[in-house]
Amino acid sequence: EVQLVESGGGLVKPGGSLRLSCAASGFTFSSYSMNWVRQAPGKGLEWVSSISSSSSYIYYADSVKGRFTISRDNAKNSLYLQMNSLRAEDTAVYYCARRGMDVWGQGTTVTVSS
Amino acid sequence: QSVLTQPPSVSAAPGQKVTISCSGSSSNIGNNYVSWYQQLPGTAPKLLIYDNNKRPSGIPDRFSGSKSGTSATLGITGLQTGDEADYYCGTWDSSLSAEVFGGGTKLTVL
Repeated sequence: EVQLVESGGGLVKPGGSLRLSCAASGFTFSSYSMNWVRQAPGKGLEWVSSISSSSSYIYYADSVKGRFTISRDNAKNSLYLQMNSLRAEDTAVYYCARRGMDVWGQGTTVTVSS
Repeated sequence: QSVLTQPPSVSAAPGQKVTISCSGSSSNIGNNYVSWYQQLPGTAPKLLIYDNNKRPSGIPDRFSGSKSGTSATLGITGLQTGDEADYYCGTWDSSLSAEVFGGGTKLTVL
């Protein structure tokens, strides 16, 4: 079964850091580009970042550029999102999604609050 | 403010048909494929339509997609109460080098 499972969310103070992980299974992870998408409470979907299969191409939304870093470890079938200088407006459910957004994880919740 | 524009809500009776529009520009819809997603309450989004009008395996043919110029449309026929959800359009924006989504449309099946 093709599956993505996020982890690493939690409560963090403004200015703090958090690292999200996404474990992939059931498909050849190294062949697919991957995405992070977030959804603030009661709001719509917001794309955060994308990374190509070999990490050669990386893109970020302007709202997170310079603060978030996407990475992957194909040997571990894992995708990561390092989030620094967190702000209240980063509070959201964070989803990882496969290329084409055809497979999504269940999401992990990040809350930025003092 | 979303790059892609969708109506906030639509409604129709069970068994009827509804369409949801998604308006963009030449840098996104006009020159890239459009996808549609369904998000049931409390769940992750699910891909409904990709490449403007293709359905992934398992998606019933009650769901259809089309694109014309800088706009796209999702159609749902034979509405069921289980179709009540938020629907989002999405595509790549070549000018922004970013994936963009519409603001979402809440479908109510009366």
